Amino acid sequence: EIVLTQSPGTLSLSPGERATLSCRASQSVSSNYLAWYQQKPGQAPRLLIYGASSRATGIPDRFSGSASGTDFTLTISRLEPEDFAVYYCQHYGSSRWTFGQGTKVEIK
Amino acid sequence: EVQLLESGGGLVQPGGSLRLSCAASGFTFSSYAMSWVRQAPGKGLEWVSTITASGANTYYADSVKARFTISRDNSKNTMYLQMNSLRAEDTAVYYCASPINGWAYFDFRGQATLVTVSS
Repeated sequence: EIVLTQSPGTLSLSPGERATLSCRASQSVSSNYLAWYQQKPGQAPRLLIYGASSRATGIPDRFSGSASGTDFTLTISRLEPEDFAVYYCQHYGSSRWTFGQGTKVEIK
Repeated sequence: EVQLLESGGGLVQPGGSLRLSCAASGFTFSSYAMSWVRQAPGKGLEWVSTITASGANTYYADSVKARFTISRDNSKNTMYLQMNSLRAEDTAVYYCASPINGWAYFDFRGQATLVTVSS
């Protein structure tokens, strides 16, 4: 069973700063099936990145994803006020879908 | 526009049963796999179950296997989740999700339905 571990648990930053969120898989996984979601309070999650580095439709280019082995990174180049939220990574493999525990990006 | 409308949530005692529904519109429902994803209060997301487009194949998280049953009625554009032997740890908001960019990813277009398991 693949476990996705996200770090840090909470990231305290100011608008305009760069955010770097990590997601580590417990074993080798296909980057083709790694996604990132954003969730704001009281709202459903929204797909940001799929295939580790492809932006979903309508997602601003300040969001980017990358992969290196079992380590996946979501980068927000310059935080906008609307980017403060919780972010989840998610993997699909062998008919199982797994989420990380989430990283909260909060205003410093 | 894709729309998903979850319903059927509520308060149920431990050991009880509940059936959730997800009514879909805005896309060819019968052509796509569908899923349930839940989120316990203040916690993260957890995949629950997925059903293929025809309904021939179903998949479950270990935490709900043998207690939950996913199904669909393509003539009604509706998916269901029959939940039996409910436990306190099943308390969560349950999201219906359609696939996006392939069936590996989720598109959440509904408002979710809250299931509370408590005596």
